[in-house]
Amino acid sequence: AQKITQTQPGMFVQEKEAVTLDCTYDTSDQSYGLFWYKQPSSGEMIFLIYQGSYDEQNATEGRYSLNFQKARKSANLVISASQLGDSAMYFCAAPLSGGYNKLIFGAGTRLAVHP
Amino acid sequence: DTGVSQDPRHKITKRGQNVTFRCDPISEHNRLYWYRQTLGQGPEFLTYFQNEAQLEKSRLLSDRFSAERPKGSFSTLEIQRTEQGDSAMYLCASSVPGQGDYGYTFGSGTRLTVV
Repeated sequence: AQKITQTQPGMFVQEKEAVTLDCTYDTSDQSYGLFWYKQPSSGEMIFLIYQGSYDEQNATEGRYSLNFQKARKSANLVISASQLGDSAMYFCAAPLSGGYNKLIFGAGTRLAVHP
Repeated sequence: DTGVSQDPRHKITKRGQNVTFRCDPISEHNRLYWYRQTLGQGPEFLTYFQNEAQLEKSRLLSDRFSAERPKGSFSTLEIQRTEQGDSAMYLCASSVPGQGDYGYTFGSGTRLTVV
């Protein structure tokens, strides 16, 4: 991918509700992957979920799922049943070139979960 | 040790001083990456090692920056003659080839403040 766009600087959600974080990407690669990471205030980037461009099913990992729309070049993260511990920065990322040697990240979305 | 360790967690230095950061990857991971994250942005790729070989460097890595991984285990990132623009979070990550589908494992980062 050459560019990752996250248009929501901040989002908030009520505890136990679902929230969708948007991500669009720009790539000319035929085969690519998309990653979502969570960054709490401690600073560590925590891998959440991965979607391959040829995967026929949308990826799911527990409460995280990807709404992958290849034609629209979007890979939105859906968090179901939000918890207070989900409050963090969320980054969408993709390989910068054909391999997985380096990732390009979006600017991130800060999610606040309210009780 | 099951994670990527970075030391120190925080560093405050005066402009013009040299600083060195250390990263200890997961022991069986032969790939190691350095990223820089400025406030409000996603991480940006700096450089990557496979074992002890530095295989790629970003243009962001000016000649004041040097990274080493002498024995293919831990890595150091040195910044000489620090400038205020170097203030950022420096993140290290490691991976094993073929596990790109599952993303990297990141450390908690070193937050550098140049005063």
